[in-house]
Amino acid sequence: DAMVIQNPRYQVTQFGKPVTLSCSQTLNHNVMYWYQQKSSQAPKLLFHYYDKDFNNEADTPDNFQSRRPNTSFCFLDIRSPGLGDAAMYLCATSTSTVGSGGKWNEQFFGPGTRLTVL
Amino acid sequence: RKEVEQDPGPFNVPEGATVAFNCTYSNSASQSFFWYRQDCRKEPKLLMSVYSSGNEDGRFTAQLNRASQYISLLIRDSKLSDSATYLCVVNDRGSTLGRLYFGRGTQLTVWP
Repeated sequence: DAMVIQNPRYQVTQFGKPVTLSCSQTLNHNVMYWYQQKSSQAPKLLFHYYDKDFNNEADTPDNFQSRRPNTSFCFLDIRSPGLGDAAMYLCATSTSTVGSGGKWNEQFFGPGTRLTVL
Repeated sequence: RKEVEQDPGPFNVPEGATVAFNCTYSNSASQSFFWYRQDCRKEPKLLMSVYSSGNEDGRFTAQLNRASQYISLLIRDSKLSDSATYLCVVNDRGSTLGRLYFGRGTQLTVWP
């Protein structure tokens, strides 16, 4: 089945130790997103790729970086994780075209990586 | 002002009950509207899109009122398996990428 895969599902890191989260997709979608979701909060968009074009949200800390080496893969790098970065990180994909009826196509989410910072 | 506002609940209802969730959005130019369901510690999954004329999918009915910038979700004959958080999601028409704005979700617990 076509899907969005995230690895690892659970990641534990130490304060200040760089960590990389991985996302891959078999949907061949050209747009990929990274969200941060903390407990009882809405997912917060960090950045997205439109093909190879990187788009950062204005309030995303510099501590967060991303790479997209090809259509299928996207990585989230946290350079120096702080305690406040502990959260669920969700990867999502979508197509960029408007679907039938003029509606934007849905975003498909991966299962998420739960990050713990010690 | 938040883009999308929802009553966080929690809503606790018995099996078989009818429950309604409401949501308001601030951008009058918003184009597309969705309800996502998110189970505890899982990813959001699309429950249904919301169309101007209102739409129904089995026990679920979604309504959109553009004039009031208001979206609703009605669940009839609640099942235990409906227990989850329901996220109201709105597309930003200003973006060519279908940028989504999420409400913080309404938590539903259905008890036997």
